[in-house]
Amino acid sequence: ETGVTQSPTHLIKTRGQQVTLRCSSQSGHNTVSWYQQALGQGPQFIFQYYREEENGRGNFPPRFSGLQFPNYSSELNVNALELDDSALYLCASSHRVSATDTQYFGPGTRLTVL
Amino acid sequence: EDKVVQSPLSLVVHEGDTVTLNCSYEVTNFRSLLWYKQEKKAPTFLFMLTSSGIEKKSGRLSSILDKKELFSILNITATQTGDSAIYLCAPYYGGSQGNLIFGKGTKLSVKP
Repeated sequence: ETGVTQSPTHLIKTRGQQVTLRCSSQSGHNTVSWYQQALGQGPQFIFQYYREEENGRGNFPPRFSGLQFPNYSSELNVNALELDDSALYLCASSHRVSATDTQYFGPGTRLTVL
Repeated sequence: EDKVVQSPLSLVVHEGDTVTLNCSYEVTNFRSLLWYKQEKKAPTFLFMLTSSGIEKKSGRLSSILDKKELFSILNITATQTGDSAIYLCAPYYGGSQGNLIFGKGTKLSVKP
């Protein structure tokens, strides 16, 4: 296990609702990245937080937003849920933003939107 | 747009076989390429490759990167049923472009 934890494990929501997913980074890591993995696809980058600031964003609409806290844990918020938001949401932590620092993944949150 | 293509998309082998998984990419100026194994949920880290032509090994697994020809391969020798998983490769820029760019993965099934 990597030491990266996520909650909840599973979540069922209906269209239009809002959801908050949580991630605790591995000890000593100050960078958290969020990914969306649809069925049969590789993970797609949503955004990254480094020292409480957004450090890069993928091709996701503004209704996907995030936060990083002083203890480096992070939240992913999704507003106005759509059916296509159903996916496995993964967070990954790393020691720094350097490309030679491995990203370690948590177990994910399975979100189902009905 | 950056693109990562993994092949084959799925593969069925028997225990003891050797497999080669391919990762080709249309990505420039990345700093490293990572391989992950995904069994159920969390992708688990296998290798980070930063230099072209230098093989990395871990037990029965090995991997190499060719930055000139824009590909990487992951080899698994003497496969076991526990190797059954999806294998993902991802170039990584780091810095302000802090994302891993994943391919769809190769689904490996190892039969007894």
